[in-house]
Amino acid sequence: GAVVSQHPSRVICKSGTSVKIECRSLDFQATTMFWYRQFPKQSLMLMATSNEGSKATYEQGVEKDKFLINHASLTLSTLTVTSAHPEDSSFYICSAPDRAGELFFGEGSRLTVL
Amino acid sequence: AQRVTQPEKLLSVFKGAPVELKCNYSYSGSPELFWYVQYSRQRLQLLLRHISRESIKGFTADLNKGETSFHLKKPFAQEEDSAMYYCALSGYGETSGSRLTFGEGTQLTVNP
Repeated sequence: GAVVSQHPSRVICKSGTSVKIECRSLDFQATTMFWYRQFPKQSLMLMATSNEGSKATYEQGVEKDKFLINHASLTLSTLTVTSAHPEDSSFYICSAPDRAGELFFGEGSRLTVL
Repeated sequence: AQRVTQPEKLLSVFKGAPVELKCNYSYSGSPELFWYVQYSRQRLQLLLRHISRESIKGFTADLNKGETSFHLKKPFAQEEDSAMYYCALSGYGETSGSRLTFGEGTQLTVNP
């Protein structure tokens, strides 16, 4: 099956700094990718839909200026958490649909903000 | 608004016993329902979708529009079925299974 890869898998940063997480579709092209956030022992919550060549679509309540999304190519989407604070600490997951529409998920990136 | 509810956070059964993971949804249109599974230290992956009407790894799920349910069932649980299971709903029929709303998840443990 298709593979979606995220990098880094873990990142620790100081409060106030920005962190970039990459999501790549390794063997297929994805015009759309999805970013989720998962708190411990809770469900995945869709944050935004990343669209190649256009602006991302954010879910209600998600700050666009806080979570910057760039879909630079058909195989790469990046999520930048700007001016991170401890409450931004979470597990961030991306996914991308293949041609058949099946969603493939990345392994997730754990962000810890000190 | 669309919503998915999995009433059981934890479910424990013995090997060989039947297992049912409950999922209820609310959606005003015609939904597409999915079950995703996450084995220990692995990424989330699709288990089955209602439109396929398949049996994957012995699991089946029937969409009951009257009861707005999509329960996951397996007649004889195996230890390797132990995992986190998420029910998910997509309200976008054109791009099947893309913009998903997930339930809270059920951690299934199959004891030897």
